[in-house]
Amino acid sequence: EVQLVEAGGGVAQPGGSLRLSCLGSGFTFSNYEMNWVRQAPGKGLEWISYINNIGTTIYYADSVRGRFIVSRDDAQNSLYLQMNNVRAEDTALYFCARGDSTGYYYADIWGQGTLVTVSS
Amino acid sequence: QPVLTQPPSVSGAPGQRVTISCVGSNSNIGAGYHVHWYQQLPGTAPKLLIYGNNNRASGVPARFSGSQSGSSASLAITGLQAEDEAHYYCQSYDNSLSATRLFGGGTKLTVL
Repeated sequence: EVQLVEAGGGVAQPGGSLRLSCLGSGFTFSNYEMNWVRQAPGKGLEWISYINNIGTTIYYADSVRGRFIVSRDDAQNSLYLQMNNVRAEDTALYFCARGDSTGYYYADIWGQGTLVTVSS
Repeated sequence: QPVLTQPPSVSGAPGQRVTISCVGSNSNIGAGYHVHWYQQLPGTAPKLLIYGNNNRASGVPARFSGSQSGSSASLAITGLQAEDEAHYYCQSYDNSLSATRLFGGGTKLTVL
């Protein structure tokens, strides 16, 4: 079964850090682009980061650029999101999502999400 | 800041047909980038429904269909069922955004 499982969420203080991880299984992780998408409580989806299959192309939304860092370890079938200098507005459910392999720029497989709460 | 505009809510009775619109601009749908649709049932992760404007993802019933014209796209659901009650999001690529991917604000479908 193709699956993505996120971990690492929790409570962080404003200005603090968290590292999220996403473990892929059931597919050849190294062949796929990966993404992070978040959803604030009661709000819609926001695409925040993308990394291509070899880690050479990375994009960030303006809302997180300079604070968040995406990376991947294909040997561990894992995607990471290092969240630094977090703010209250970063409170959200964070999903990792597999990018399509057709060049259409969509996400075909999603994890169940990990909740990040930023609060003092 | 480019946006994809969806109606906040739509509703329909069981068996009816509903459509959800997604209006973009010349930096996304109007530039020829494909539109994709996701369904998010309450308390669950989004699920790919339609990709490439009008292709159903694996396992998606034929009651769901997508279309695109100019800078807009639509999701149509025929034979509405209670289990279709969910949030629906359109998504496209945008060539003016740093993140490159853009979601619509989402539409809550209520089955009456």
